Amino acid sequence: GAVVSQHPSWVICKSGTSVKIECRSLDFQATTMFWYRQFPKQSLMLMATSNEGSKATYEQGVEKDKFLINHASLTLSTLTVTSAHPEDSSFYICSATLGDRGAWEQYFGPGTRLTVT
Amino acid sequence: SQQGEEDPQALSIQEGENATMNCSYKTSINNLQWYRQNSGRGLVHLILIRSNEREKHSGRLRVTLDTSKKSSSLLITASRAADTASYFCATVRGGANSKLTFGKGITLSVRP
Repeated sequence: GAVVSQHPSWVICKSGTSVKIECRSLDFQATTMFWYRQFPKQSLMLMATSNEGSKATYEQGVEKDKFLINHASLTLSTLTVTSAHPEDSSFYICSATLGDRGAWEQYFGPGTRLTVT
Repeated sequence: SQQGEEDPQALSIQEGENATMNCSYKTSINNLQWYRQNSGRGLVHLILIRSNEREKHSGRLRVTLDTSKKSSSLLITASRAADTASYFCATVRGGANSKLTFGKGITLSVRP
């Protein structure tokens, strides 16, 4: 149980276009989802925390107008990278939590590799 | 900001040997977790140790926590080639609304 999927697993887009990444909890309802960014051979950096039905909370330094997060249902959160540029190329990983376990118990998706040309 | 700092940054061992990875952190924590990440993939949760625990086991994994030194270690016994991955420690400072703060990670290579 507690499976999280991401779609697409990889995407290549041209500079200036927007890309949407989906994160789904397949067999449970996730009240909270997290979005992370990971550069090659580096750690995961939390970008934002997303709660169903409310606005996402962004970490300091993350542009909320550039990285649009929508958590429309208890099983789906989306991250849209708007007007993507080569520096946005990265590995984006989402995670989802069960109930009130919060950060204590996060289930991670397989990640999405974004390459902006 | 990053909380955990793992060392070594890279570790290469022979299959069958034990692998020990260390993690240090800077602030008080509620719990510390270890994750594994295979190349280009998501994270797999390995083990969680609470601040009032000193040692925990799960299969071939042994985790220790020393809150006085703000450090943790992950021991993988009898390593296998399939253990080749990056390992991250992550800390949770407060309650369930807190965030996971990841360290930089350790790359473990297990030679067959």
